[in-house]
Amino acid sequence: DAKTTQPPSMDCAEGRAANLPCNHSTISGNEYVYWYRQIHSQGPQYIIHGLKNNETNEMASLIITEDRKSSTLILPHATLRDTAVYYCIVRGVKAAGNKLTFGGGTRVLVKP
Amino acid sequence: GAGVSQSPSNKVTEKGKDVELRCDPISGHTALYWYRQSLGQGLEFLIYFQGNSAPDKSGLPSDRFSAERTGGSVSTLTIQRTQQEDSAVYLCASSLGTGWDTQYFGPGTRLTVL
Repeated sequence: DAKTTQPPSMDCAEGRAANLPCNHSTISGNEYVYWYRQIHSQGPQYIIHGLKNNETNEMASLIITEDRKSSTLILPHATLRDTAVYYCIVRGVKAAGNKLTFGGGTRVLVKP
Repeated sequence: GAGVSQSPSNKVTEKGKDVELRCDPISGHTALYWYRQSLGQGLEFLIYFQGNSAPDKSGLPSDRFSAERTGGSVSTLTIQRTQQEDSAVYLCASSLGTGWDTQYFGPGTRLTVL
C-alpha cells in the first residue's frame, strides 16, 4: 500500500469547515483513499473513501486531485465532537494481508 | 443497525493468567480482524478470518496468542500466560467481504496486565 503524509496537528474553530490534507504521491491506479478517525478512547471510525471522483456522505466530503497524488477531507461544519486523530490510508483491492495500517494521522482539535 | 461489539470493555488481570476477549461482528460480515493498539501508537494487525478459509495469523506476536471464530460469526481472542507487555487496547473489526471492503471497528477491550 502507498505511503501517506499528513500534518501532525491542526486546530479548527467550531462551526467552521475543517480541511485536512493528505499526500499520497506514490498511489497506484487501483488504490483507494480511505479516511478513518479515532476519538479518544474509542475504536477507529470509518469516514469516507474514494478512488478518483470526489465523494460526499453525511459525515464529510473527500476531494481527490486529478493526478490522485493528494486529497483533502472536508468536515463542513466542525463540532467539538469532531476532535479526534484523522487517518488517511491508501489501500489496494488486494491489500497486503487485508490489514489496515495507520500512519501518524492528524490530531484535530476543534475549539469553541 | 448494530455495530461491532466487544466484551469486556475493560479487563485487568495478573501476569501469568489467561484472558479471553470476545468480538461480535456486524451480522452478515464474512471478514473479521483483530488488532491491538498500545498507548499513543498505531494499529498492530494480529489475525484475520475470512469465511471458511484458514485464518491469516501472520500478526500474532507469539504462540501465547490464539483466536478462533465459531460458526463464521463470533470470535474469541485468547492470550495465555499474559505478560505486562500485552497491555493494550484490543480492537476487533469486521467487513462485508474481502480485500478493500470497509472495515468497521468495535469499541475495543482495554487489557491491563499487572
